[in-house]
Amino acid sequence: KQEVTQIPAALSVPEGENLVLNCSFTDSAIYNLQWFRQDPGKGLTSLLLIQSSQREQTSGRLNASLDKSSGRSTLYIAASQPGDSATYLCAVTIQGAQKLVFGQGTRLTINP
Amino acid sequence: DAGITQSPRHKVTETGTPVTLRCHQTENHRYMYWYRQDPGHGLRLIHYSYGVKDTDKGEVSDGYSVSRSKTEDFLLTLESATSSQTSVYFCAISVGNLANGEQFFGPGTRLTVL
Repeated sequence: KQEVTQIPAALSVPEGENLVLNCSFTDSAIYNLQWFRQDPGKGLTSLLLIQSSQREQTSGRLNASLDKSSGRSTLYIAASQPGDSATYLCAVTIQGAQKLVFGQGTRLTINP
Repeated sequence: DAGITQSPRHKVTETGTPVTLRCHQTENHRYMYWYRQDPGHGLRLIHYSYGVKDTDKGEVSDGYSVSRSKTEDFLLTLESATSSQTSVYFCAISVGNLANGEQFFGPGTRLTVL
């Protein structure tokens, strides 16, 4: 059974710092990995999708990497801002199954 | 937001009553999903659809049924609501008519079962 883990559960950093969020998964047989952002009381916003054949994807200040063989992904946020405060979720699409498996998320707080 | 709306956005109901939640999309995506989000459990798949009248169960499907009579609408029904079904329900679509495409989520429905 695929399990997705995100550590730490919460992270607080001062504004302007670069930071890395971690995601690990137990089964390397995935189609892709997706990073989401969720603001309190809101839905999920897709940030980046990495296909299993790719190593990284970039969007603005965000860079996501994927090492399928070791079961790890990272989300790098450059020059963090208070508006980046949210919960960040990673999820993998399992090969042969029609669904995403989610991690529990990392709650990120950027302090002005 | 991939043109996804959910209704109602909030609902309070009593144990034992049937409840139907609606997900509507405007872009003719083939795949649609219903998830629930609970503290300590994260997001879990309830049911999904891969076309009109084509649906299948997810990991937490007991007590729920779904229907998809039109491409744009995916309905989730709680046949007899229980307090354990108090949750936030999210609808999602997968773009590109792919099961493994990028998923986009609706704004959610907060359901309280008293």
